[in-house]
Amino acid sequence: DIQMTQSPSTLSASVGDRVTITCRASQRISSWLAWYQQKPGKAPKLLIYKASSLESGVPSRFSGSGSGTEFTLTISSLQPDDFATYYCQQYNSSPWTFGQGTKVEIK
Amino acid sequence: QVTLRESGPALVKPTQTLTLTCTFSGFSLITSGMCVSWIRQPPGKALEWLALIDWADDKYYSTSLKTRLTISKDTSKNQVVLTLTNMDPVDTATYYCARLTYYFDSSGYSALDYWGQGTLVTVSS
Repeated sequence: DIQMTQSPSTLSASVGDRVTITCRASQRISSWLAWYQQKPGKAPKLLIYKASSLESGVPSRFSGSGSGTEFTLTISSLQPDDFATYYCQQYNSSPWTFGQGTKVEIK
Repeated sequence: QVTLRESGPALVKPTQTLTLTCTFSGFSLITSGMCVSWIRQPPGKALEWLALIDWADDKYYSTSLKTRLTISKDTSKNQVVLTLTNMDPVDTATYYCARLTYYFDSSGYSALDYWGQGTLVTVSS
């Protein structure tokens, strides 16, 4: 199975900050990586697919980059609605796997 | 529009078999390229992918759970059913179903673009 490792596990930031979350795959996955946002008690929401493609309706302050084994999710200017947990997921090959999540907290 | 909704028991006893149903609308598993996946999340923990079934009835399973999992579909009812045998308290989780698409232009499977609200299953005697 492909292991997905996110860092950091928790991130404290302020409104307006630029935030970057990293996801590393244990094997090359080309660009078959997605990022999801999850708020407490809610289902995950797709933000980014194919490593850097923005899902329809997602604000442009979210961006993704990377390929192979190293990927990043960047929030250019953190907004109050962005405090949540973020997960990466590889869909290069079965079994699909998720990272352990990064919680973005208010500083 | 696309919607998915999970249903099933909120409480099961250890050793019992869990049966969950995902009822969806806005797409059909008769349509080439359509797929449904199950994912779970123990309280306070990360997401865990469980299984996938596609329009062609191909099935994929989590490595660690594949001996206990079965996924199936009923296209006439727009439903996907997941069974998990020999339930244990560690299987306590919110179970989600989600849609994805298979792209024939060599892109392969997509990300999970629509999710149900999830259903919490507690395993306790």
